Amino acid sequence: ILNVEQSPQSLHVQEGDSTNFTCSFPSSNFYALHWYRWETAKSPEALFVMTLNGDEKKKGRISATLNTKEGYSYLYIKGSQPEDSATYLCASPQGGYNKLIFGAGTRLAVHP
Amino acid sequence: SAVISQKPSRDICQRGTSLTIQCQVDSQVTMMFWYRQQPGQSLTLIATANQGSEATYESGFVIDKFPISRPNLTFSTLTVSNMSPEDSSIYLCSVVEGGSGETQYFGPGTRLLVL
Repeated sequence: ILNVEQSPQSLHVQEGDSTNFTCSFPSSNFYALHWYRWETAKSPEALFVMTLNGDEKKKGRISATLNTKEGYSYLYIKGSQPEDSATYLCASPQGGYNKLIFGAGTRLAVHP
Repeated sequence: SAVISQKPSRDICQRGTSLTIQCQVDSQVTMMFWYRQQPGQSLTLIATANQGSEATYESGFVIDKFPISRPNLTFSTLTVSNMSPEDSSIYLCSVVEGGSGETQYFGPGTRLLVL
């Protein structure tokens, strides 16, 4: 079974700080890496789908990088805002292109 | 992206009863999935809901416990049968609009507490 690991489990930062967290996954038989943001009582929001080694994607103040050879992805948030407070999930498919295996998530709290 | 709604949004149920969760999409989608997140755990895939045929279940999940229907390309139901406190979870449906490997979009979830 594919293990997707995320660290840290939780993170508290001050407004304006930049932060990053890690997703690691087995590098063999890699197909894609998905990042989601999940706010309480809302739907998980798709941030990125990454497939190419060395790829970097950006959405506003959030960006992500991918290293498929060593099996990790970083998510960066520049100038964190309180509205960035959420759980950030990564997932990778196993046994089918759409059968996502999720990490446990990183819970981010941004304090004003 | 597809707009997905789920009913109910939350419920509190007694052990031994069953609850059916509905997932409605505002457009026809090729694939629909059901996930759950138990407290402190990762989101876990329960099954793929297949239109017009039996769902495909992941290891550890069985049809008798989690019967699934998908009568058309916009709607699916998941029933949690003979519930126990261990079934207390958030249940989410997700869809893929296009081909394999595309972004999955999730519903808002159903928060279930079994007493």
